[in-house]
Amino acid sequence: EAGVAQSPRYKIIEKRQSVAFWCNPISGHATLYWYQQILGQGPKLLIQFQNNGVVDDSQLPKDRFSAERLKGVDSTLKIQPAKLEDSAVYLCASSREDSPDYNEQFFGPGTRLTVL
Amino acid sequence: AQSVTQLDSHVSVSEGTPVLLRCNYSSSYSPSLFWYVQHPNKGLQLLLKYTSAATLVKGINGFEAEFKKSETSFHLTKPSAHMSDAAEYFCVVRGGSYIPTFGRGTSLIVHP
Repeated sequence: EAGVAQSPRYKIIEKRQSVAFWCNPISGHATLYWYQQILGQGPKLLIQFQNNGVVDDSQLPKDRFSAERLKGVDSTLKIQPAKLEDSAVYLCASSREDSPDYNEQFFGPGTRLTVL
Repeated sequence: AQSVTQLDSHVSVSEGTPVLLRCNYSSSYSPSLFWYVQHPNKGLQLLLKYTSAATLVKGINGFEAEFKKSETSFHLTKPSAHMSDAAEYFCVVRGGSYIPTFGRGTSLIVHP
């Protein structure tokens, strides 16, 4: 079974520029998550999708961050414009959720963003 | 509302000695609880999970955790540390909203 795929793996941009990250979850996983992990901290949930609907986006800075999962499969996360404090690893995860026994998240390798 | 507190930011042990990483949680509903491990420059990997079945949960690499509802705890243990266990460990809670909350992490240092 293929894992969660993310691209790019690394990105360096200057502040005020735009950037987009892509995630392809494990096939058949209904729920997709985007996290921001700042160095030395635990992952912070930015947005959670169930199929193509949003379950929670309470911690997504909506003035600059946006995310979509139009066909209920892969997803993109965009930052426009980027700030220095957006430097972090952006993690994508997915889970089945068809029963309580299948609610663990599987994580991708992450995208390391550096904003200069 | 839910929250998770990892009581130690760093834990240092000698190889071959027991490991204890502490996690307390708060949840309005019967939660699912998880421990994940993150090795340097690697992705997050599930160690074990509790989802209302047996309170003592066994995971990969010799780790186990015990769910104690009365103490709202889910501590991670291993009888004998190995050098390869050195990593960051995260405790995660999911309550009735099904939204996961991560702890701040505990860095496990293993001395030879």
